[in-house]
Amino acid sequence: GAVVSQHPSWVICKSGTSVKIECRSLDFQATTMFWYRQFPKQSLMLMATSNEGSKATYEQGVEKDKFLINHASLTLSTLTVTSAHPEDSSFYICSASRGGARETQYFGPGTRLLVL
Amino acid sequence: AQSVSQHNHHVILSEAASLELGCNYSYGGTVNLFWYVQYPGQHLQLLLKYFSGDPLVKGIKGFEAEFIKSKFSFNLRKPSVQWSDTAEYFCAVNRGAGGYQKVTFGTGTKLQVIP
Repeated sequence: GAVVSQHPSWVICKSGTSVKIECRSLDFQATTMFWYRQFPKQSLMLMATSNEGSKATYEQGVEKDKFLINHASLTLSTLTVTSAHPEDSSFYICSASRGGARETQYFGPGTRLLVL
Repeated sequence: AQSVSQHNHHVILSEAASLELGCNYSYGGTVNLFWYVQYPGQHLQLLLKYFSGDPLVKGIKGFEAEFIKSKFSFNLRKPSVQWSDTAEYFCAVNRGAGGYQKVTFGTGTKLQVIP
């Protein structure tokens, strides 16, 4: 149990376009979802935390208007990279938990974004 | 700012050797501590976690970790590693309550076990 999927697994887009990444918890209700960004040979950097039905809490330095996060249901959260630029190219990973700081995070496989 | 330090970036061990990976955090309040592992080609998954009680916690696959509050540490150990333990290991801290959570990951330690 506790499977999290991400779609797409990789995407290539032109500069200036928007890209939406979906994160789904397949067999449990995810009260909280997290979005991370991972640069090559670096750790996961938390971008934002979202609770179902609430606005996401963004980490310092993450542009809310550029990285739109929606967590409209207990099984789905989306990250939209608006007006993408080459510097947004990265590996984006989501995770889901049943809520609470003691809960285990279940991770998706990640999405590789390349902006040309 | 809260930080999590993993001092060993790359560790190479022979099978049956003992393993200890260091993890130190900087936050002085209540913390919830995790070790996650990423096997080659797989998602991150939980090895073990600690939030209260016995400071020595046991996880999957023979791993254990000890929380030492005075040292702000949560080191991961395994008495005898196997080739299948080759993976990247991440320490993480979640400081939060209620709807608010603050998660910080360490930089990770790549473990290579030589048969």
